[in-house]
Amino acid sequence: SQTIHQWPATLVQPVGSPLSLECTVEGTSNPNLYWYRQAAGRGLQLLFYSVGIGQISSEVPQNLSASRPQDRQFILSSKKLLLSDSGFYLCAWSAPGSLNTEAFFGQGTRLTVV
Amino acid sequence: AQKITQTQPGMFVQEKEAVTLDCTYDTSDPSYGLFWYKQPSSGEMIFLIYQGSYDQQNATEGRYSLNFQKARKSANLVISASQLGDSAMYFCAMRPTWGGGKLIFGQGTELSVKP
Repeated sequence: SQTIHQWPATLVQPVGSPLSLECTVEGTSNPNLYWYRQAAGRGLQLLFYSVGIGQISSEVPQNLSASRPQDRQFILSSKKLLLSDSGFYLCAWSAPGSLNTEAFFGQGTRLTVV
Repeated sequence: AQKITQTQPGMFVQEKEAVTLDCTYDTSDPSYGLFWYKQPSSGEMIFLIYQGSYDQQNATEGRYSLNFQKARKSANLVISASQLGDSAMYFCAMRPTWGGGKLIFGQGTELSVKP
């Protein structure tokens, strides 16, 4: 069966520090991968998605970047965190090539920038 | 522009009653998928139900049903026989034809079930 792992669960980082959040998927090949951010009490904003190794699409300009060094690994990074980067970050995957398959989400990372 | 709109920030329902959560969408894609997710306070995202734009019948999954009105571009979620455990945030999402399978989410509706 397929599983998605996302870590860490919580993170408190000072302004100006770097960030690296990692997400890995098991039990499937060539998944579509996504990073979402959720502000408190709000909807999910798509940050990045990837349809293959090294292929990253950015949805909104921001202080963050994403990379996909391996087929089932998706990394969210920042060189210098801002206060506005605080939020709940969710990684997700879906099977490629189909409209009707749901996206499966990780447990999320609560990031607080202080 | 592709967009999902959920106009009800919060809803209350009495236990064992039915409730409808509204969702409208905007897209010019010829085909698309519509999804509903539940997010409890723990933060996990739980898939509830799916409706394809070409599906002739409304989707149903247990106590969940989707009232799909394509001409009105609406995809409302109906929860029958509400339970206390249904208290959570509910998100409507759309998968457009293009875009790597991404899901575009609405702002969500917070449902509270009263005993």
